[in-house]
Amino acid sequence: QSVLTQPPSASGTAGQRVTLSCSGRSSNIGTNTVNWYQQFPGTAPKLLINSRDQRPSGVPERFSGSKSGTSASLAISGLQSEDEADYYCASWDESLSAWVFGGGTKLTVL
Amino acid sequence: QVRLQESGPGLVKPSETLSLTCTVSGDSISNYYWNWIRQPPGRGLEWIGYMHHSGATNYNPSLKSRVTISIETSNNQFSLKLTSLTAADTAVYYCARARGGGPKISWFDPWGQGTLVTVSS
Repeated sequence: QSVLTQPPSASGTAGQRVTLSCSGRSSNIGTNTVNWYQQFPGTAPKLLINSRDQRPSGVPERFSGSKSGTSASLAISGLQSEDEADYYCASWDESLSAWVFGGGTKLTVL
Repeated sequence: QVRLQESGPGLVKPSETLSLTCTVSGDSISNYYWNWIRQPPGRGLEWIGYMHHSGATNYNPSLKSRVTISIETSNNQFSLKLTSLTAADTAVYYCARARGGGPKISWFDPWGQGTLVTVSS
């Protein structure tokens, strides 16, 4: 069971805006920043949004991150078929003195 | 361009010790925090630990008693040792650089391609 909670699945139609959630505690998201990673089957995760809410070079502006209290969200606007992947949130946990991940959300583009 | 490449055995017997190496190219290992992260088949990501070039280490509490991460500056490599293996340690093991400052404000980028380690007799 992951320390950060993500819904196991989400879906949307092409062109739609979808929001993926990540719920934590005061010891992690409530205190520290959140990163988001995208993973396609059989490949390594790739950084999508960093701790400064910045997108690395090559990541479309359609992806954006936000945080409120002990929860964080990844928004994808103008959903495209190539966005179909697994998405993970991560944060530093003060109580554990460790990085913690969410269980991941599998996004399907209908 | 920074690249990380994991190497090590793909099959290890139960109770034995896993040794993996991550070779870093395009950047000096004398910067940043260097991490190991694993992913059991069909499951999510689990952070194993990091080592900083200063020698500072930090490990996941759930694995701390079995993990050692070390750095070989001369080879621009860092390594993972995980002892007393069981089938539950079967996973894809990734190495990754953490950048952005201290651990609390860092992010993992880039990642190695990962190496599948199976624990079985």
